[in-house]
Amino acid sequence: AQSVTQLGSHVSVSEGALVLLRCNYSSSVPPYLFWYVQYPNQGLQLLLKYTTGATLVKGINGFEAEFKKSETSFHLTKPSAHMSDAAEYFCAVRETGANNLFFGTGTRLTVIP
Amino acid sequence: DSGVTQTPKHLITATGQRVTLRCSPRSGDLSVYWYQQSLDQGLQFLIQYYNGEERAKGNILERFSAQQFPDLHSELNLSSLELGDSALYFCASSPRDVGGRDTQYFGPGTRLTVL
Repeated sequence: AQSVTQLGSHVSVSEGALVLLRCNYSSSVPPYLFWYVQYPNQGLQLLLKYTTGATLVKGINGFEAEFKKSETSFHLTKPSAHMSDAAEYFCAVRETGANNLFFGTGTRLTVIP
Repeated sequence: DSGVTQTPKHLITATGQRVTLRCSPRSGDLSVYWYQQSLDQGLQFLIQYYNGEERAKGNILERFSAQQFPDLHSELNLSSLELGDSALYFCASSPRDVGGRDTQYFGPGTRLTVL
């Protein structure tokens, strides 16, 4: 069965520090992978996605993620955190041929001034 | 702004009641998905419609039903409401049916509170 694990339900970083949000998935074949961000009282916004091709994916707001098949991981990073990055981040997968997204439990990012 | 609209934004009702949530997909998108976000269950897929037909079902209760109309808007009907149905309900849309690479664009959600 498909599952997504996000290590750390809460992550705090200082402004200007590296952001690293972890995501591991279980799938018999490499799925399509997504990171979404949810700001307070808002819907989910796509940050980036991996479908095929280059394993390092660049997204909006300076975020990027690397698909590592051998580690079944798709960690999200940003070199320098900004106060506006404070939000909840969700990793999601969709298997080839499947319809819906399967979400992790989310990681709430706090940025300390 | 994703282009997906949902109404109402907030809904407060009592146990045992029935409510209808409405979603309009992005222009040109034929697939509509419904998700439920709650504190204990997280974000869960409920159901998908494509061009008026049901295509996939997730963890949707029998008390819940949905439909997609000819103009492609969708409604999620929740009946015999229980306290545990209190959650944020999201609608998402995408262009195709089973399009793995397609991005699902999410609406702002409807927050349902059952008292």
